[in-house]
Amino acid sequence: QLQLQESGPGLVKPSETLSLTCTVSGGSISGSFYYWAWIRQSPGKGLEWIGNVYYSGGTYYNPSLKSRVTISVDTSKNQFSLKLRSVTAADTAVYYCARPRRSTTLHTFDMWGQGTMVTVSS
Amino acid sequence: QSALTQPASVSASPGQSITISCTGTSSDVGGQSYVFWYQQHPGKAPKLMIYDVNNRPSGVSNRFSGSKSGNTASLTISGLQAEDEADYYCSSYTTGNTVIFGGGTKVTVL
Repeated sequence: QLQLQESGPGLVKPSETLSLTCTVSGGSISGSFYYWAWIRQSPGKGLEWIGNVYYSGGTYYNPSLKSRVTISVDTSKNQFSLKLRSVTAADTAVYYCARPRRSTTLHTFDMWGQGTMVTVSS
Repeated sequence: QSALTQPASVSASPGQSITISCTGTSSDVGGQSYVFWYQQHPGKAPKLMIYDVNNRPSGVSNRFSGSKSGNTASLTISGLQAEDEADYYCSSYTTGNTVIFGGGTKVTVL
């Protein structure tokens, strides 16, 4: 059974870089043909798509975050990662990693991690 | 890209039916067959309930159904049950190869 688990600091200072990792177990990222995703949810607010990374490294990003985001994949560790630069309090959110239902698509997320809360505060 | 528009809340009694609307544009809901609905209980990750406008993943009750007309998609829950009380989010793929979500609708079972 495929499982996704987010990990990383729960507290980040303003202007610094938020870094999170999603570890995939029960299946291999390498050669999977999936676009692995990051999605966030600010407290009491809705969901926001951050972007996807293909197993070979290709990426798609939310235009509103594109200038600050890098999503990468490490197939040797069966992980993919999120870096969000120059964070502010508005980046405080629960961050989810997810996988689409179908390979080679960016959408229709049917596998989700449990989510990890990241607070931006000094 | 702007979020899809959903009503903030919908409520009904057990056994009744409700419909949640999700309005977008011709660049997303109106121009795509990739419209999805997620259910989210407090403190939990979202769960896919409907994909490709009107398809249910295995294991999702047939009380949940989806439809679309023009730029507006809809989720209908029939025979409302206490366990259906949750937040529901619509989502769509866009012509710009991005994914957008609605603001969410809180469903309350009276």
